[in-house]
Amino acid sequence: KAGVTQTPRYLIKTRGQQVTLSCSPISGHRSVSWYQQTPGQGLQFLFEYFSETQRNKGNFPGRFSGRQFSNSRSEMNVSTLELGDSALYLCASSSRKQGDTQYFGPGTRLTVL
Amino acid sequence: AQSVTQLGSHVSVSEGALVLLRCNYSSSVPPYLFWYVQYPNQGLQLLLKYTSAATLVKGINGFEAEFKKSETSFHLTKPSAHMSDAAEYFCAVRDPSQYSSASKIIFGSGTRLSIRP
Repeated sequence: KAGVTQTPRYLIKTRGQQVTLSCSPISGHRSVSWYQQTPGQGLQFLFEYFSETQRNKGNFPGRFSGRQFSNSRSEMNVSTLELGDSALYLCASSSRKQGDTQYFGPGTRLTVL
Repeated sequence: AQSVTQLGSHVSVSEGALVLLRCNYSSSVPPYLFWYVQYPNQGLQLLLKYTSAATLVKGINGFEAEFKKSETSFHLTKPSAHMSDAAEYFCAVRDPSQYSSASKIIFGSGTRLSIRP
């Protein structure tokens, strides 16, 4: 089975721009979660989607949003980028059959200049 | 509430030596526990997980971890370190009795493992 894929792998944007990141889960996984990883804050939960519905959201401003499509693929969007948004954004998918264990993608490295 | 503590943000061992990465958790119920490894600019890869079956869990790449309820620990070990083991390792805990949401998974702050030739 193919793993979780994320595109693009690297992205450079400037302050004020917006960005969309994409995540394709493992086949059969209906839950997709997003995390932000920075050296100072570690891994922080952004949000989780299941069957096209957001079922949990972390403590991030409204500039961070996401959605999930009927094929379970997910996108997250960050508007009005700030320097502090520079991070590795990780997507993970899971399924109830596998005990809801999180399987991570390779991440998207976002740099905001 | 749950929490997880990884003792030592950086551990350095010689090639061929024992690797021991420490993880202590706090949970009001028997938890599910995980170890993940992250190589530079990569995502987290699942090494092993404990889900209330055998207390000694064997994972990939020769790693294993033992769940010790009395010590609230889930330390990761490998008998003989290899250069390719250099990476960051994360311990994570989840309460299995709660709604299985990713928001309920608590990650430790990570331990960077360096291997000396």
